[in-house]
Amino acid sequence: EVQLVESGGGLIQPGGSLRLSCAASGFIVSSNYMSWVRQAPGKGLEWVSVIYSSGTTYYADSVKGRFTISRDSSKNTVYLQMNSLRVEDTAVYYCARVNFRSFDFWGQGALVTVSS
Amino acid sequence: QTVVTQEPSFSVSPGGTVTLTCALSSGSVSTSYNPSWYQQTPGQAPRTLIHSTDTRSSGVPDRFSGSILGNKAALTITGAQADDESDYYCVLYMGSGIWVFGGGTKLTVL
Repeated sequence: EVQLVESGGGLIQPGGSLRLSCAASGFIVSSNYMSWVRQAPGKGLEWVSVIYSSGTTYYADSVKGRFTISRDSSKNTVYLQMNSLRVEDTAVYYCARVNFRSFDFWGQGALVTVSS
Repeated sequence: QTVVTQEPSFSVSPGGTVTLTCALSSGSVSTSYNPSWYQQTPGQAPRTLIHSTDTRSSGVPDRFSGSILGNKAALTITGAQADDESDYYCVLYMGSGIWVFGGGTKLTVL
């Protein structure tokens, strides 16, 4: 059974850093495309980043240069390193597997709150 | 800046049919954008309904169908049920590793 479990969310001050983790089971992370999608409180979904099976990464303009997606094959886990956090980065961050250029499995989400 | 537009809200009667759409700020949506659709209820993660324009995900009832209507992607719900009351999102693959979500449609069944 495919399962994605995010962790690492919390309250952080503006300008701070946080790393989210997404532990996968039921499939091999490094053989798949993996993505992060976020949702600000009361708002819609926003695509954030993707890592291809090749290791190539892409980012939304809103996070480019501040966020880094990576993976650890030994732990079957995907990460999102978030630096220079802003109040507008406050959101629930979902990890999702990419298949057929869509998001076929989703984690339960991790809440990141950026506030002083 | 690419904008993907959905109806902010829609209402359907129980048993009725509703079509939600997903449009591009410039140009037409085609199958090459691999439109997909997601259902989300408050406090829950999104659930994948449709991928690759018109392919239902595993376990999705056949009252949900996807298509291209004119220059937009479309999600049609036939025989709406009370528990279809949710937010619905489309997303388009823009190429070069970039996806753009629509703003979502809040569907009311009453």
